[in-house]
Amino acid sequence: DTAVSQTPKYLVTQMGNDKSIKCEQNLGHDTMYWYKQDSKKFLKIMFSYNNKELIINETVPNRFSPKSPDKAHLNLHINSLELGDSAVYFCASSQVAGGGDGYTFGSGTRLTVV
Amino acid sequence: GIQVEQSPPDLILQEGANSTLRCNFSDSVNNLQWFHQNPWGQLINLFYIPSGTKQNGRLSATTVATERYSLLYISSSQTTDSGVYFCAVDNYKLSFGAGTTVTVRA
Repeated sequence: DTAVSQTPKYLVTQMGNDKSIKCEQNLGHDTMYWYKQDSKKFLKIMFSYNNKELIINETVPNRFSPKSPDKAHLNLHINSLELGDSAVYFCASSQVAGGGDGYTFGSGTRLTVV
Repeated sequence: GIQVEQSPPDLILQEGANSTLRCNFSDSVNNLQWFHQNPWGQLINLFYIPSGTKQNGRLSATTVATERYSLLYISSSQTTDSGVYFCAVDNYKLSFGAGTTVTVRA
């Protein structure tokens, strides 16, 4: 069983479109995250949710809207996609906010905006 | 925010060699983590190490929190060790360094 699963794995879309990435974890963790990895492999946090409540919103354009219907799911919706949104998006989870000794990352979603 | 610097940026090793990766951070932290991103892009949590030394097989890590640095040691490197190694300070969110790209040649 995959612990943190993201779909889709690859996403190619045109500028201006709206797209969503889904994430689910079956670890029973309380906290979930979205991270963005750019073309230079730099990883940066975007959002964090703890028990469905937004706790970190890291100056991300408001075209990005996370949604957590329950603590096992954290989805990312992106409106009006731009070329600069091309990146790999990672979902992650941890037992508690702040991670402690256990972060589990999904396998990533490679978004290409053309 | 906290600055995280990793060195060297790139490392090429012959299989069987040992190496040390360094991570400096600019402020006190609750926690420090080391990750390995394999060539297929998967991020694996290697160590949770706010202070002291931990070992896991051929890998070990040491954090000296008072001097704001952490070291990751790879011994008897294997080709499967290739990838990017990230350290990240953890103050309720991970702030990553730029990574060290390790290439192990057979």
